[in-house]
Amino acid sequence: DIQMTQSPSTLSASVGDRVTITCRASQSFTRWLAWYQQKPGKAPKLLIYRASTLETGVPSRFSGSGSGTEFTLAISSLQPDDFATYYCQQYNSFPWTFGQGTKVEIK
Amino acid sequence: QVQLVESGGGLVKPGGSLRLSCVASGFTFSDYYMNWIRQAPGKGLEWISYISSSGSTIYYADSVKGRFTISRDNAKNSLYLQMNSLRAEDTAVYYCAREWPDVWGQGTTVTVSS
Repeated sequence: DIQMTQSPSTLSASVGDRVTITCRASQSFTRWLAWYQQKPGKAPKLLIYRASTLETGVPSRFSGSGSGTEFTLAISSLQPDDFATYYCQQYNSFPWTFGQGTKVEIK
Repeated sequence: QVQLVESGGGLVKPGGSLRLSCVASGFTFSDYYMNWIRQAPGKGLEWISYISSSGSTIYYADSVKGRFTISRDNAKNSLYLQMNSLRAEDTAVYYCAREWPDVWGQGTTVTVSS
């Protein structure tokens, strides 16, 4: 199984900050990685797929990069609507696995 | 619009059974593979099962293998999850999800408790 480790677990930031979240995989794989945003009581929302492709309708301040065992989600200028929990997920091989989540909090 | 709507959740005793359903609309259901993903209270996301567009290929997470059965009826645009021998640790919100996934349902809550 591919284990996905996200860091940090919690991130305190202010509106306008640039933030980055890292996801490290226990095995190398190609670009079958997605990033999701989840708010309390809601289903996850797809932000990025294939490591760096922005889902339609997602603001361009979100970007994804990486390959192999290290992947990154960046938010260029944090907005009030971005305070949420973020998950990475590999869909390279079964069982698909998620990172443990990164909660982005208001500083 | 593209939509997935789950139903069938509820309170069940340990060892009991439950069948979840997910109805798809707004896209050609038979063209897409589907998944079930769950989230225990206050915890992260856990993928539990995959079914190909035709239903011929199925995968399960070890945590549910032998107890849960995924199926689909393309004529009814519906996905199912039959859950048997339920345990307390199966308590979660269960999401129906399309493909890797790009579309999620709103979730249905399963509580396993005596």
